[in-house]
Amino acid sequence: GAVVSQHPSWVICKSGTSVKIECRSLDFQATTMFWYRQFPKQSLMLMATSNEGSKATYEQGVEKDKFLINHASLTLSTLTVTSAHPEDSSFYICSASTGDSNQPQHFGDGTRLSIL
Amino acid sequence: SQQGEEDPQALSIQEGENATMNCSYKTSINNLQWYRQNSGRGLVHLILIRSNEREKHSGRLRVTLDTSKKSSSLLITASRAADTASYFCATDAKGSNYQLIWGAGTKLIIKP
Repeated sequence: GAVVSQHPSWVICKSGTSVKIECRSLDFQATTMFWYRQFPKQSLMLMATSNEGSKATYEQGVEKDKFLINHASLTLSTLTVTSAHPEDSSFYICSASTGDSNQPQHFGDGTRLSIL
Repeated sequence: SQQGEEDPQALSIQEGENATMNCSYKTSINNLQWYRQNSGRGLVHLILIRSNEREKHSGRLRVTLDTSKKSSSLLITASRAADTASYFCATDAKGSNYQLIWGAGTKLIIKP
């Protein structure tokens, strides 16, 4: 089946550090990748949609300069949390789509980010 | 992107019993999908049901879709302790650029 690899699984770092999270589709080409944020005991909140080779589309309220997204190839998207602060601590999850609306999204295992 | 509603919010049952979770949505859809999330992990796709389908089965899972009521249900039969997880429904709305609209989720606990 389709596999999406996300790493790191968890990060603990000091306030002010920039953190990069990678999302790779291992056995399929992902024309579209999604980045979500999930707070404890809540549903997924879409942050941005990224299409290969073009700029990401951010959801309302998500700071583009804070959460930099790059989708340089059909198998890799990265999310960089710049100058992270404690309020950025959260669970970040990526998913990938082949672009077929009748196929499910395939999810990475998530990244637990803790900013001290 | 969160417009769906799920109920119950939490469900605790004995192993071996059946578990039913419901999902309602607001817009016209291409399909509706159910996912499972174990604590601290990513989401695992369970079943996708298209808007022109009414029922779908996969192993111990049965999903129904009623587009007139804009609702769906997920039935897990003969539950096992390993079914303990959060379950989310998500709809692929028409014209949504593949974005999914997520329900709030149901926390299912199976007691051994």
